[in-house]
Amino acid sequence: SQTIHQWPATLVQPVGSPLSLECTVEGTSNPNLYWYRQAAGRGLQLLFYSVGIGQISSEVPQNLSASRPQDRQFILSSKKLLLSDSGFYLCAYTPRESTDTQYFGPGTRLTVL
Amino acid sequence: AQSVTQLGSHVSVSEGALVLLRCNYSSSVPPYLFWYVQYPNQGLQLLLKYTTGATLVKGINGFEAEFKKSETSFHLTKPSAHMSDAAEYFCAVTLFQGAQKLVFGQGTRLTINP
Repeated sequence: SQTIHQWPATLVQPVGSPLSLECTVEGTSNPNLYWYRQAAGRGLQLLFYSVGIGQISSEVPQNLSASRPQDRQFILSSKKLLLSDSGFYLCAYTPRESTDTQYFGPGTRLTVL
Repeated sequence: AQSVTQLGSHVSVSEGALVLLRCNYSSSVPPYLFWYVQYPNQGLQLLLKYTTGATLVKGINGFEAEFKKSETSFHLTKPSAHMSDAAEYFCAVTLFQGAQKLVFGQGTRLTINP
């Protein structure tokens, strides 16, 4: 069966510190991968997506970046966090067998102080 | 461009009553439509989806939705609300541009009164 993991579940970081959030998918090969941010009262915003290793598309200019070092691993990073980066970060994937549906991970709650 | 409007950011119903969450979309091409549910501090769980074929789709937990092209709507219903249905619900429309992209509505928080 297919599963998606996100790590860590919660994170509290000071302004100006770096960030690395990890997402891994099991049970499918060559999935499309996505990063979303859910800020309080603002719905879900697509940040990045990837259709293959090393292929990253950015949807919103910001101080975040994404990388896909392995087929089923998606990393969200920042060199210097801002207060506005606080939110709930969700990773999602579409399996190659069913590309019309996205499945979401459990999320990471990031608080920047 | 695709867009989704969910009417009502908060909906409150009594346990056992009908649940109706409204979603209208705008799309320049035949849409794929989705409803997701989110419980507090959790990810999104797919409730149901419409891609092609039958316009009335059934999902998990007794929910169903009907695609009405003439009304550009995809409202979510459940005949009898249960306390466990309390959550936030998101409607989404998809756009395929190299990869599937979802455009979400702002969400509707459903409260169930005992």
